[in-house]
Amino acid sequence: DGGITQSPKYLFRKEGQNVTLSCEQNLNHDAMYWYRQDPGQGLRLIYYSQIVNDFQKGDIAEGYSVSREKKESFPLTVTSAQKNPTAFYLCASSIDLRRELAKNIQYFGAGTRLSVL
Amino acid sequence: GQQLNQSPQSMFIQEGEDVSMNCTSSSIFNTWLWYKQDPGEGPVLLIALYKAGELTSNGRLTAQFGITRKDSFLNISASIPSDVGIYFCAGQKGGSEKLVFGKGTKLTVNP
Repeated sequence: DGGITQSPKYLFRKEGQNVTLSCEQNLNHDAMYWYRQDPGQGLRLIYYSQIVNDFQKGDIAEGYSVSREKKESFPLTVTSAQKNPTAFYLCASSIDLRRELAKNIQYFGAGTRLSVL
Repeated sequence: GQQLNQSPQSMFIQEGEDVSMNCTSSSIFNTWLWYKQDPGEGPVLLIALYKAGELTSNGRLTAQFGITRKDSFLNISASIPSDVGIYFCAGQKGGSEKLVFGKGTKLTVNP
């Protein structure tokens, strides 16, 4: 089945540790996104990528890093610089925005819940 | 970053009742999307709207793109227990590759 797969479902981070969240899609989408969700806050954009080997900061990029070496994959690293990492992290993808800029329908994975030990 | 004003924040209703929620913005949007999120899962797209004044249905759900292009509405008719969840609106401005999300409306349906 086509879709977006996030792993792991639950992740625990120790003080000073970097952790990486995986996001893979087989929808042949060009654009991919990472969001952070806190209770009552809605979705806030961390990073996004419109094409392989290129990505842009979102609204809350500090303490996070990403890479886009393959079209299908967009991993997110939560670094030790992120002092409040406990949240639900959502990955999304959409078709090439340069071709369909007015129709940015984003499809989401099932999320990763990150907690601090 | 900008967020949309979504209301109400939460709703508690009886099964069979109709539900209305809305999103407003001070800016004009070219696209409005409505998503539903079940607990511990990712949002799922319900309805997409692309034209001012557009009214679109998906089963018991109906959404409208406001004529001012600054708001959108979602109605659910004859609610059932599986309608429970958080409903998000999202908007896209012209020329922008990003979506702006509301903070969600949490819906509880009592059987």
